[in-house]
Amino acid sequence: DTEVTQTPKHLVMGMTNKKSLKCEQHMGHRAMYWYKQKAKKPPELMFVYSYEKLSINESVPSRFSPECPNSSLLNLHLHALQPEDSALYLCASSQDGGDGNTIYFGEGSWLTVV
Amino acid sequence: QKEVEQNSGPLSVPEGAIASLNCTYSDRGSQSFFWYRQYSGKSPELIMSIYSNGDKEDGRFTAQLNKASQYVSLLIRDSQPSDSATYLCAVYNFGNEKLTFGTGTRLTIIP
Repeated sequence: DTEVTQTPKHLVMGMTNKKSLKCEQHMGHRAMYWYKQKAKKPPELMFVYSYEKLSINESVPSRFSPECPNSSLLNLHLHALQPEDSALYLCASSQDGGDGNTIYFGEGSWLTVV
Repeated sequence: QKEVEQNSGPLSVPEGAIASLNCTYSDRGSQSFFWYRQYSGKSPELIMSIYSNGDKEDGRFTAQLNKASQYVSLLIRDSQPSDSATYLCAVYNFGNEKLTFGTGTRLTIIP
């Protein structure tokens, strides 16, 4: 079982809505990530929060905004999304160390924008 | 050239045979290499990681890494129908803290 917990597992939202995806990791990892995955495509990195520093994939539109309340939480705020933003959103975490920075994924949040 | 390349398949293997999955990468600064298994509608699940040249075995899985050839592979022995999934190769570069995925190989084990 993954120790990266994502909520909700499914979300349907209208284009004018504001919603959030939540992610919590229970492994004491120092880095957390948000990935977006469309059908039959690999995950694409959206954001990395590592050592209190946020790194952004410049191709990600501003209607997605991450928030890191503490080292174990990374939320993704959603506002004015488009139908093409419908996808599986994956949260992940990793810890530098002897295991070479292995990245572990949560179960994902399925987002549908209508 | 794509950063991480995999044959998209589908790759069909009889039950009990060896499945061989291949991956090449372009960034010579890559330091960590991973294989993830993803069932349809589910999130990627880590099955193997490898960091140095050679072979690494874990149960029915063997990962092979050749940094000089920029090549990493995954062998699955005694393939089972439950191994049917998409296998994602991922390559990590510590410099930019970026994990780059290949497009995945869809594997089907035929009973």
